[in-house]
Amino acid sequence: SQQGEEDPQALSIQEGENATMNCSYKTSINNLQWYRQNSGRGLVHLILIRSNEREKHSGRLRVTLDTSKKSSSLLITASRAADTASYFCATAGMDSSYKLIFGSGTRLLVRP
Amino acid sequence: GAVVSQHPSWVICKSGTSVKIECRSLDFQATTMFWYRQFPKQSLMLMATSNEGSKATYEQGVEKDKFLINHASLTLSTLTVTSAHPEDSSFYICSARGSARDSSYEQYFGPGTRLTVT
Repeated sequence: SQQGEEDPQALSIQEGENATMNCSYKTSINNLQWYRQNSGRGLVHLILIRSNEREKHSGRLRVTLDTSKKSSSLLITASRAADTASYFCATAGMDSSYKLIFGSGTRLLVRP
Repeated sequence: GAVVSQHPSWVICKSGTSVKIECRSLDFQATTMFWYRQFPKQSLMLMATSNEGSKATYEQGVEKDKFLINHASLTLSTLTVTSAHPEDSSFYICSARGSARDSSYEQYFGPGTRLTVT
C-alpha cells in the first residue's frame, strides 16, 4: 500500500528556476528517502533524512522533514533540463523490516 | 559500487505461460531483496520482501502462488510470474540492501524488467 501522497503530481518549470515537491505520510517513520526515476528506468537514491533531523542538503538538493505534520519537501535549486524525471519519497517504518513505502510521485519537467 | 542488475530488461510472453525475472547484486552481498511492480505513470508498489535462505514475505493482496520468489544466494533473487495474464503486464523492479550488519536503510535498485503478456 502507498504510504502517502506527493504534490504536485506534475510540475513544469523553466531551466534555472527552483522546483519544490512535497510529500505527506501517515505513520511514524525511522527515516524518509527521496528517489529519482528517469522514464522507464530504475530508481536512483538522492538523499535520506532521519526522523530526528529537520533539514539536509546535498549539492543542489535540500530536504526538510516535519514529523509533527508528517510531511517532507524536496527543493531542487537552479534546475537543469537533465533534472527532468519523476521524484518519489519513500518512508521506512519503525520496525526492522527495512521496507520502503513509496509516495505517489511528482513528474518534473524542466524546459530548456 | 552497489550495482544491481535485472534480467531480462524486457520480455513478451503469451498468456498462460510463466516468466522468470532475475535480480543480482553485482558487487555486494544482499541479505534482503525487495520486489516492486509499477504501472505506467504510477508509483512503486511493494510486492514482497525476500531474505536469503528463507521464505519471502508478501504484502497484502499479492498472491504468493502466482508470484514465486526465490532468494537462493546472497547475490540472486528470482521472481517467477506463473500463468501470466495480460493484467500482469507491468514494470517489475527489484532492490537490494546490504549485509545483516549493515543498518543502512538505503536500497539499491535494479533497472527494471518490462513484462508484456499478450
